[in-house]
Amino acid sequence: DAGVIQSPRHEVTEMGQEVTLRCKPISGHNSLFWYRQTMMRGLELLIYFNNNVPIDDSGMPEDRFSAKMPNASFSTLKIQPSEPRDSAVYFCASSTSWTGVNTEAFFGQGTRLTVV
Amino acid sequence: QKEVEQNSGPLSVPEGAIASLNCTYSDRVSQSFFWYRQYSGKSPELIMSIYSNGDKEDGRFTAQLNKASQYVSLLIRDSQPSDSATYLCVVNGPGRRALTFGSGTRLQVQP
Repeated sequence: DAGVIQSPRHEVTEMGQEVTLRCKPISGHNSLFWYRQTMMRGLELLIYFNNNVPIDDSGMPEDRFSAKMPNASFSTLKIQPSEPRDSAVYFCASSTSWTGVNTEAFFGQGTRLTVV
Repeated sequence: QKEVEQNSGPLSVPEGAIASLNCTYSDRVSQSFFWYRQYSGKSPELIMSIYSNGDKEDGRFTAQLNKASQYVSLLIRDSQPSDSATYLCVVNGPGRRALTFGSGTRLQVQP
């Protein structure tokens, strides 16, 4: 298996533009997580899905952020409009258990987003 | 209070020494504890998991858990320069359905 695949690896965009980050989880994993990492705040959970259903989106910073999982093999994280403070590395991770207990989460390589 | 607390470091140890990384957590009902390693510019990867009180050894790594004190630690024996990375303490439990990460401790192993 190729692991969790994220695209693009790097994204530079202008403030106010829409940004869409993509993730393909590991086949057979039914839980998917979106994290954001910055120097100041570390790794923060934004949202997670189980069986394509959003379970907890309390980490989504504001209405400019939205996430979807239309099927078991694809998820998107959209920021509209983007702002410079959204600059961060966004990680997608997947696991086999929706509770996450006793289960390892596998991370993608991340998308480094820069909003200028 | 942060849910998972770690000293940000950097923790600097000489090659061959034991590196000791510590973590405390706030949710008493937490059940699962993990240590992830993250090299600069890379994604986190799991190196140890522990679920019950006591020690768990895997090669040069030993994870220690004390639920009464809400304390988790990671010992790295015979530290190597290749161990230089940020180590993330991660906690999960029945009251939480996703992994909660500490901010990480940066370890530097000096050759």
